[in-house]
Amino acid sequence: GQNIDQPTEMTATEGAIVQINCTYQTSGFNGLFWYQQHAGEAPTFLSYNVLDGLEEKGRFSSFLSRSKGYSYLLLKELQMKDSASYLCAGINDYKLSFGAGTTVTVRA
Amino acid sequence: DGGITQSPKYLFRKEGQNVTLSCEQNLNHDAMYWYRQDPGQGLRLIYYSQIVNDFQKGDIAEGYSVSREKKESFPLTVTSAQKNPTAFYLCASSIRELAGSYNEQFFGPGTRLTVL
Repeated sequence: GQNIDQPTEMTATEGAIVQINCTYQTSGFNGLFWYQQHAGEAPTFLSYNVLDGLEEKGRFSSFLSRSKGYSYLLLKELQMKDSASYLCAGINDYKLSFGAGTTVTVRA
Repeated sequence: DGGITQSPKYLFRKEGQNVTLSCEQNLNHDAMYWYRQDPGQGLRLIYYSQIVNDFQKGDIAEGYSVSREKKESFPLTVTSAQKNPTAFYLCASSIRELAGSYNEQFFGPGTRLTVL
């Protein structure tokens, strides 16, 4: 595995911004994914980073620094429907290794 | 519509019984995967298959078995040897993976298995 570490929980207010950090081991790293998972449902793809820098997709952005083994997912203009678990996953030797997920709770 | 189906969504079994979870995809993907998810933990890879008639053990294969006789299907059997089988099981598929390539995995809706 890649020893993916991310915070367990985060809480934010509707309309605010939240940044979810993720660190991983750099050996054998081939790319990093972010997935969103609502309770009891399947994960859905949010983003993929293989090169350093920021990838923006609407309200969600993902950043990668390969030298630091670090990524973050930025959620802007939070909405109630963004309350979910966010999974960081590194790909190494054809396999994805997932972090435990960060549960984000959006409050009115 | 293309996608991945898993059935049933909820499954109950008595301790000591083997049970097979189904996973079917019509995305024409070569690679398929089985994960287990427990509360407060990330997805853990059980088995994966990159091509028909071939599969590899993941990180937690003990007590599980799979087959890949058809491209579309990758059933998982939870055997009585699995000490703690109650969990949420997710199947996924992707295009065949090449080192360093983009390989988004598409997930099925999952099966929640409860062993009584």
